[in-house]
Amino acid sequence: NAGVTQTPKFRILKIGQSMTLQCAQDMNHNYMYWYRQDPGMGLKLIYYSVGAGITDKGEVPNGYNVSRSTTEDFPLRLELAAPSQTSVYFCASSYSPEIQETQYFGPGTRLLVL
Amino acid sequence: GENVEQHPSTLSVQEGDSAVIKCTYSDSASNYFPWYKQELGKRPQLIIDIRSNVGEKKDQRIAVTLNKTAKHFSLHITETQPEDSAVYFCAASSGEYGNKLVFGAGTILRVKS
Repeated sequence: NAGVTQTPKFRILKIGQSMTLQCAQDMNHNYMYWYRQDPGMGLKLIYYSVGAGITDKGEVPNGYNVSRSTTEDFPLRLELAAPSQTSVYFCASSYSPEIQETQYFGPGTRLLVL
Repeated sequence: GENVEQHPSTLSVQEGDSAVIKCTYSDSASNYFPWYKQELGKRPQLIIDIRSNVGEKKDQRIAVTLNKTAKHFSLHITETQPEDSAVYFCAASSGEYGNKLVFGAGTILRVKS
């Protein structure tokens, strides 16, 4: 199993550009999450999904969009990138909490907006 | 919503000593409390977790205690080793739908040899 994979590893964007961060998992997890981690800080939840076709906002959703068309994939879309979106983005996945709460994280995508 | 505070922000210990990191949470409905270890440039990795129906859990040199009444939980690492040096994050689950974690700001642990 590859676990949770993310692409790209690193990206530089200009202000106003858009991009999609890719996330995939091969553990048959229903739940998937997007977090951002600013330097020296903890992780903050951007969006999450409890299954294909179902998404909901987390703590810091502004400036982002998500979709969940399959169980395996959970892309994060940045529209009109701003310097405040410079961060490291982690995708995570888990089973339903009734089965197991453990969230498994991907390797992260480092994004710099200039 | 849930708020998690973590202390201290940095902790230096001598190799072989114990380290304790403390977290408090605000939502009494939170019922799941994981601890993650993150090495520089790496992803967070779960090291131990505890549910609200348990007061203490151990895994070799690592233990977590939970006080539901006071709404705080702690990570205890005994016989620290240089490879324990990392950033440690506590978290609490919040929300009636979905396993949404709220993280503390992290503790930088340095183990001096």
